[in-house]
Amino acid sequence: EPEVTQTPSHQVTQMGQEVILRCVPISNHLYFYWYRQILGQKVEFLVSFYNNEISEKSEIFDDQFSVERPDGSNFTLKIRSTKLEDSAMYFCASSERGPRPGSTDTQYFGPGTRLTVL
Amino acid sequence: AQSVTQLGSHVSVSEGALVLLRCNYSSSVPPYLFWYVQYPNQGLQLLLKYTSAATLVKGINGFEAEFKKSETSFHLTKPSAHMSDAAEYFCAVKSYNTDKLIFGTGTRLQVFP
Repeated sequence: EPEVTQTPSHQVTQMGQEVILRCVPISNHLYFYWYRQILGQKVEFLVSFYNNEISEKSEIFDDQFSVERPDGSNFTLKIRSTKLEDSAMYFCASSERGPRPGSTDTQYFGPGTRLTVL
Repeated sequence: AQSVTQLGSHVSVSEGALVLLRCNYSSSVPPYLFWYVQYPNQGLQLLLKYTSAATLVKGINGFEAEFKKSETSFHLTKPSAHMSDAAEYFCAVKSYNTDKLIFGTGTRLQVFP
């Protein structure tokens, strides 16, 4: 069964460094998402992406974050200058069709990348 | 604004016992509701979803959930727990005009032999 994959599974970085988290969505999916979960807190939406542009973003997704689909298979999340509070599990997801209007298209999640900022 | 509340961060049941995981939502528009399960070191897997059709929704692995508008609830049940059901379960809500899923804090289910 096709699945979303993410690399690395665990990333440790120093505060102020740039990190790139990588995701390979399911091959025929067109919509991509990033969520994060700070330890002990809820899974939170960061951004959705379609047709090479951001479809929707949350308040968390500020200027230090960016997303890109550099080729036909990868979807990346870049954090330009990491902060201690960026330590979290980051989940990538993809869906076949658009989530709106009115669609309940299922979002399929990857296993996550645990980011630790020291 | 939409939100989800999952009562009970941890639930423990004996193998063969009823599983009941609670989820209440808040939404100003008719919601779409989801239950996801996360096994150790794996991603979030969809168990079932409510999309304004039948109020009783059946999912994978014998789970089901009932949408009760009057109670703003979408509790997850399984008649007989199995050891393999031990995992973390997340309830989520989405409205028709947004991309994002809004998750609850999750409930960790333990199953004892």
